[in-house]
Amino acid sequence: AQKVTQAQTEISVVEKEDVTLDCVYETRDTTYYLFWYKQPPSGELVFLIRRNSFDEQNEISGRYSWNFQKSTSSFNFTITASQVVDSAVYFCALIHTSGTYKYIFGTGTRLKVLA
Amino acid sequence: DSGVTQTPKHLITATGQRVTLRCSPRSGDLSVYWYQQSLDQGLQFLIQYYNGEERAKGNILERFSAQQFPDLHSELNLSSLELGDSALYFCASSVMGETQYFGPGTRLLVL
Repeated sequence: AQKVTQAQTEISVVEKEDVTLDCVYETRDTTYYLFWYKQPPSGELVFLIRRNSFDEQNEISGRYSWNFQKSTSSFNFTITASQVVDSAVYFCALIHTSGTYKYIFGTGTRLKVLA
Repeated sequence: DSGVTQTPKHLITATGQRVTLRCSPRSGDLSVYWYQQSLDQGLQFLIQYYNGEERAKGNILERFSAQQFPDLHSELNLSSLELGDSALYFCASSVMGETQYFGPGTRLLVL
């Protein structure tokens, strides 16, 4: 079975704090992609990052960083020095590269950054 | 801006009615996907088209149908609408499928 779990339903932090959003996935396939999307209050889904199953290198993009660990089936997302504009719902997703490319989304984590 | 356009942005209709949602993919993308986002079901995959052909079906109701036209735009038709169909409907596009870029969504309210 394929499944993505985002156990944190909602997180509140004060501006400038660091925050980590957890994502745990289940799959039997060896080849797959993992994604993070941001959904701000305006509603659109914004692509943040894609990781394939053979690349466990961590990635940093500005204040964002991602930690992919196959051993624990996790793909966590950290925002450093959070800002109010980071307030959004963040979704983790999984697809396989064989067959259809439908996304399996987690339930999302709502991040509230307070000024 | 993802390059994927969806119209209309908002739609208010009554139960039993039929509506059509439209999506134009990014230039060069052959695949179009439809997703439904509701409070109780989260983000659910509905259907995928690739270059005019249906490729995959997800949790799409029989009252719903879709198609992709030769110019690659796609339409999602929702009929015999029920209150529970109220949701945000997203279209996404990709070249093959690995990274999907989402449109701004159509917010449907069924009264």
